[in-house]
Amino acid sequence: DIQMTQSPSSLSASVGDRVTITCRASQDISYYLAWFQQKPGKAPKSLIYAASSLQSGVPSKFSGSGSGTDFTLTISSLQPEDFATYYCQHYKSYPFTFGGGTKVEIK
Amino acid sequence: EVQLVESGGGLVQPGGSLRLSCAASGFTLSDHYIDWVRQAPGKGLEWVGRTRNKVNSYTTEYAASVKGRFTISRDDSQNSLYLQMNSLKTEDTAVYYCVRAGYSGSFKFDYWGQGTLITVSS
Repeated sequence: DIQMTQSPSSLSASVGDRVTITCRASQDISYYLAWFQQKPGKAPKSLIYAASSLQSGVPSKFSGSGSGTDFTLTISSLQPEDFATYYCQHYKSYPFTFGGGTKVEIK
Repeated sequence: EVQLVESGGGLVQPGGSLRLSCAASGFTLSDHYIDWVRQAPGKGLEWVGRTRNKVNSYTTEYAASVKGRFTISRDDSQNSLYLQMNSLKTEDTAVYYCVRAGYSGSFKFDYWGQGTLITVSS
């Protein structure tokens, strides 16, 4: 199975900060990577698919990059509504796996 | 408006069975692959399984942790999907989500249900 490793597992940031979250795959997954945002008690929300394609309706402050084994999710200017947990997921081959999550907290 | 609504959750004893439903609306279900994803209390997300679309004969895939115990089925005429869970274990306790994954060449995972909680406990 392909393992997905996210870093950091948590971070503290201030409103207006640029935030970068990293996801590393244990083998080449090409661009088959998605990013999700989850707030407490809510279902995850899709942000990015195919590593860098922005989901419809998602603000352009979110961006994804990378291919192969190394990927990043960037929030260009953190806003109060962005404090949440973020997950990456590969879908290159079965079984799909998620990263462990990155909790973004208010500094 | 695209919607996915799960139901059927509840408390079940270890070794028991439960069937979850996912009601889909606002799109043509037969065109889409649908995934099931779960989240144990306080934990991360875990992919459970997938049903492909009509073009791909509704075939299924499962995570190793549930293979042989869980079965995904669908009734496109009823706009519904099902997750039959047998031989339940305490470690199956989680919120279960159905997810519209997309279709070959265009996987977006764009819509998630609100989730339904399964508690496996004696």
